[in-house]
Amino acid sequence: GIQVEQSPPDLILQEGANSTLRCNFSDSVNNLQWFHQNPWGQLINLFYIPSGTKQNGRLSATTVATERYSLLYISSSQTTDSGVYFCAVELAGGGNKLTFGTGTQLKVEL
Amino acid sequence: DGGITQSPKYLFRKEGQNVTLSCEQNLNHDAMYWYRQDPGQGLRLIYYSQIVNDFQKGDIAEGYSVSREKKESFPLTVTSAQKNPTAFYLCASSGTSVSQETQYFGPGTRLLVL
Repeated sequence: GIQVEQSPPDLILQEGANSTLRCNFSDSVNNLQWFHQNPWGQLINLFYIPSGTKQNGRLSATTVATERYSLLYISSSQTTDSGVYFCAVELAGGGNKLTFGTGTQLKVEL
Repeated sequence: DGGITQSPKYLFRKEGQNVTLSCEQNLNHDAMYWYRQDPGQGLRLIYYSQIVNDFQKGDIAEGYSVSREKKESFPLTVTSAQKNPTAFYLCASSGTSVSQETQYFGPGTRLLVL
């Protein structure tokens, strides 16, 4: 099956710092989503981004489908950004079934 | 408010017992999904349903069963055949099962074995 690898696995930032999270995938995909899982377990959609670039406030994401990777940028990080960030992909022809990466655990400190 | 609700928030299971996790959505979504998350891991698909009265196995369906009698409801039963049920269970829905639909998640149920 498709492999989804995220890096780094863990990241500690000082409040106000910027960061880049990466998601590599091993096959062509129809769909790629970024999620944030808060400390209570709730998954929140950040971006639906099978290709191109999108921005939402301090967050932005870029997917280069031809090179099979996606990047999530967090600027001016805040303590509320802490949690786990997942990318999830839908294999081409996969019928909207998502395969998740193992996540990046982010901790933002004061 | 529109959304997905899961209950209970915590559930304890005794050895040999079947337990059922509830998932309800009022988003008028056709497709619903169940995922399992183990500590430090990503989510894995257990079952999914594209339409009422129809469902398919995901990657880790053994030891689980589901039903989809109503559009808004997709309960998951963890049977005694599931030997390692302790995990965080998340339900999701999407507008359709057609490709490229955003999935939205409920708050989850934590299942612990006594």
